[in-house]
Amino acid sequence: AQSVTQPDARVTVSEGASLQLRCKYSYSGTPYLFWYVQYPRQGLQLLLKYYSGDPVVQGVNGFEAEFSKSNSSFHLRKASVHWSDSAVYFCVLGSSSSFSKLVFGQGTSLSVVP
Amino acid sequence: GPKVLQIPSHQIIDMGQMVTLNCDPVSNHLYFYWYKQILGQQMEFLVNFYNGKVMEKSKLFKDQFSVERPDGSYFTLKIQPTALEDSAVYFCASSFGGANTGQLYFGEGSKLTVL
Repeated sequence: AQSVTQPDARVTVSEGASLQLRCKYSYSGTPYLFWYVQYPRQGLQLLLKYYSGDPVVQGVNGFEAEFSKSNSSFHLRKASVHWSDSAVYFCVLGSSSSFSKLVFGQGTSLSVVP
Repeated sequence: GPKVLQIPSHQIIDMGQMVTLNCDPVSNHLYFYWYKQILGQQMEFLVNFYNGKVMEKSKLFKDQFSVERPDGSYFTLKIQPTALEDSAVYFCASSFGGANTGQLYFGEGSKLTVL
């Protein structure tokens, strides 16, 4: 069975500080991994994706994520957060066995404070 | 950027009634999805629709659920009859390629409350 766990439901960081949002996945096959973000009153938007190759992938707005097969993780990072990064972040798993189904984590609500 | 619109944003109905949730996907997209999120829980896949047919559905996609996209208009999710456990936020999404390409565009969700 496939599953995604985001252990932190809420994270608060100060503006300008660095950020890491954690994600662990469970899947025996080759994973496709994504981070989506949902800003207030908007639909989910793709931040970045990993299929294969370099385990560090770059996304929009200075976000990056690192894939670790040994740890079954796909943590999201940003060097310096801005107040506009406040949103809910979802780690998402796709697989080669399903062309159409994505498995979502519970989401992490990020608050950036002055 | 491209937007997926969902109508209504919120609907309250009595158990046993029918409800139709409407989705206006991105214009050149070929794949359409519904996801369900119960309050405080993870978003879960319901169904994928392509070329006029259901491609894949989950166990959550009960017999009371149906989807269609008549004549390239709205992509709809119909629940008939509704049950209390159908209360959730339903997210529509669309993509040009399959979901494992990752590039899905989501709407803001339709919150359904069944009394």
